[in-house]
Amino acid sequence: DAGITQSPRYKITETGRQVTLMCHQTWSHSYMFWYRQDLGHGLRLIYYSAAADITDKGEVPDGYVVSRSKTENFPLTLESATRSQTSVYFCASSDIEQFFGPGTRLTVL
Amino acid sequence: RKEVEQDPGPFNVPEGATVAFNCTYSNSASQSFFWYRQDCRKEPKLLMSVYSSGNEDGRFTAQLNRASQYISLLIRDSKLSDSATYLCVVNPNNNDMRFGAGTRLTVKP
Repeated sequence: DAGITQSPRYKITETGRQVTLMCHQTWSHSYMFWYRQDLGHGLRLIYYSAAADITDKGEVPDGYVVSRSKTENFPLTLESATRSQTSVYFCASSDIEQFFGPGTRLTVL
Repeated sequence: RKEVEQDPGPFNVPEGATVAFNCTYSNSASQSFFWYRQDCRKEPKLLMSVYSSGNEDGRFTAQLNRASQYISLLIRDSKLSDSATYLCVVNPNNNDMRFGAGTRLTVKP
């Protein structure tokens, strides 16, 4: 089906572990984004990508790594998860309007 | 000061009421403005863009005041289905969207 999907939808991990969140879109949008959403902060941009092999930092990039080898995929990796990275993570892609994936709820114990 | 500030609410209104939300932003160079709607534990979805001249979409009216750096959303004849969190979004430059923390609305029968 067309759209933007994220996996896993829920993830529990431990401090220090590496975690990768996947994002896949079928629209061939050039731009893709990763946000985290925490109570009281709204959505904050982690990283974004203007095209394959082009990525740039957002507002809160520390502790995260992204890659974009293909236009349709934009994985987000937490290299060594910390409790402060417990959050809901949304991936988005855009033409003009931003379309969001359903989110990944990540808990770091 | 946060870049985008909203009254978190909650706003509790009866069906049929008119309710207005305001949002202020700090970056005077911001280029474009939006209202998104987010239902509980779901992804944000675009409600409407906000144009300098103001714009209306059915029961929803959005206005922008660049001089005072605020955006408003007016909902007339509230429906139960309007219950959600409304996110003010400001785009200070291309593809760098800044989200407010959201205003929660509950419409009661």
